[in-house]
Amino acid sequence: SQTIHQWPATLVQPVGSPLSLECTVEGTSNPNLYWYRQAAGRGLQLLFYSVGIGQISSEVPQNLSASRPQDRQFILSSKKLLLSDSGFYLCAWTRRGHQESGYTFGSGTRLTVV
Amino acid sequence: AQKVTQAQTEISVVEKEDVTLDCVYETRDTTYYLFWYKQPPSGELVFLIRRNSFDEQNEISGRYSWNFQKSTSSFNFTITASQVVDSAVYFCALSDSFYSGGGADGLTFGKGTHLIIQP
Repeated sequence: SQTIHQWPATLVQPVGSPLSLECTVEGTSNPNLYWYRQAAGRGLQLLFYSVGIGQISSEVPQNLSASRPQDRQFILSSKKLLLSDSGFYLCAWTRRGHQESGYTFGSGTRLTVV
Repeated sequence: AQKVTQAQTEISVVEKEDVTLDCVYETRDTTYYLFWYKQPPSGELVFLIRRNSFDEQNEISGRYSWNFQKSTSSFNFTITASQVVDSAVYFCALSDSFYSGGGADGLTFGKGTHLIIQP
């Protein structure tokens, strides 16, 4: 069966420090991968999606970047965190070409920038 | 552009009452999928249901039921005989652009409805 792993679960980082959040999927190949952010008390905003290795699409301009170095690995990064980067980050995957089958989410990373 | 509106920011009911969460969507595509997710306090998103645009049959799963009406672009969610464990934030979401954009560009979420079930 397919599983999605996301870590760390919580993170407290100072302003100006770098960030690296990792997401991996097991039990499938060629998934579409997504990073979402949920700011406190708000809905989920799509940040990045990827349909293949090295292919990244950004939905909103921001302080963050994403990379997909391997088929089932998706990384969210920042060189210098801002206070506004605080939030709950969720990784998700879906079967390529079969988005109708549904999206499965990781357990999330709660990031607090201080 | 697609849009999902959940007008109810927060709903509070007493246990055993029925409650309906509203969801209205906008899309120009004829093929699309609608989803409901539950987000308990722990934060993870739990999948509840998926419905495609060609299937307007209502669905019932235990105490949960969904009413899909294309004529009003609504996909409402009803919990019958609510329980404290139903307390969570519920999100409605839309996935479209299957023919124009391949549908790879993720889900569009509503802002969520915070449901509080009081004992």
